[in-house]
Amino acid sequence: EIVLTQSPGTLSLSPGEGATLSCRASQNVGSNSLAWYQQKPGQAPRLLIYGASSRATGIPDRFSGSGSGTDFTLTISRLEPEDFAVYYCQQYGSSPPTFGGGTKVEIK
Amino acid sequence: EVQLVESGGGLVQPGRSLRLSCAASGFTFDDYAMHWVRQPPGKGLEWVSGISWDSGSIGYAESVQGRFTISRDNAKNSLYLQVNRLRPEDTALYYCVKDSGSWPTLNWYFDLWGRGTLVTVSS
Repeated sequence: EIVLTQSPGTLSLSPGEGATLSCRASQNVGSNSLAWYQQKPGQAPRLLIYGASSRATGIPDRFSGSGSGTDFTLTISRLEPEDFAVYYCQQYGSSPPTFGGGTKVEIK
Repeated sequence: EVQLVESGGGLVQPGRSLRLSCAASGFTFDDYAMHWVRQPPGKGLEWVSGISWDSGSIGYAESVQGRFTISRDNAKNSLYLQVNRLRPEDTALYYCVKDSGSWPTLNWYFDLWGRGTLVTVSS
């Protein structure tokens, strides 16, 4: 199965700053089949990005995804207070679908 | 309202069984594949099992193969997970999730999640 490694484990930033989250796959992710989710404490994950770069319905344009092959990035252009959360990447190009270990974006 | 509501979790001894249920509403249930994803307390996400619209295609994570059984009842807009021979490492919040692709497309990423039902395996 494809192993996804997310870095950094924790990102300490201030509101208004930009955030760059990395997701690296152990092998090529076919057709850029990579999604990103946001999870806030006590809540279920929410789909942000699919197909590596397409925003899900209702997701603000400060969230963007990029990358291909084995290296993918989630960028948050200007952090809003509600963006402090844990972010997970997920590949769905190979079975079984797998998730990264998550990056926590915390308030500095 | 579009939602998924799980039930059936609880505290159970190792080796015992539980049946998790998920009630779907607000969308055409039999147009979508459905999945279970779990999250141990304080840890990350793990896909557990998925089932196609007509139950014709089913998959399991290696960690639960042979112990868990997924099923669905489209007439009742419900998804189930029979969990047998439970182990302490099965302790997790179990989420019912909807595949983002509608028939005949199966996308394998997830656009609707329930709030989860907690399974705790301990003696």
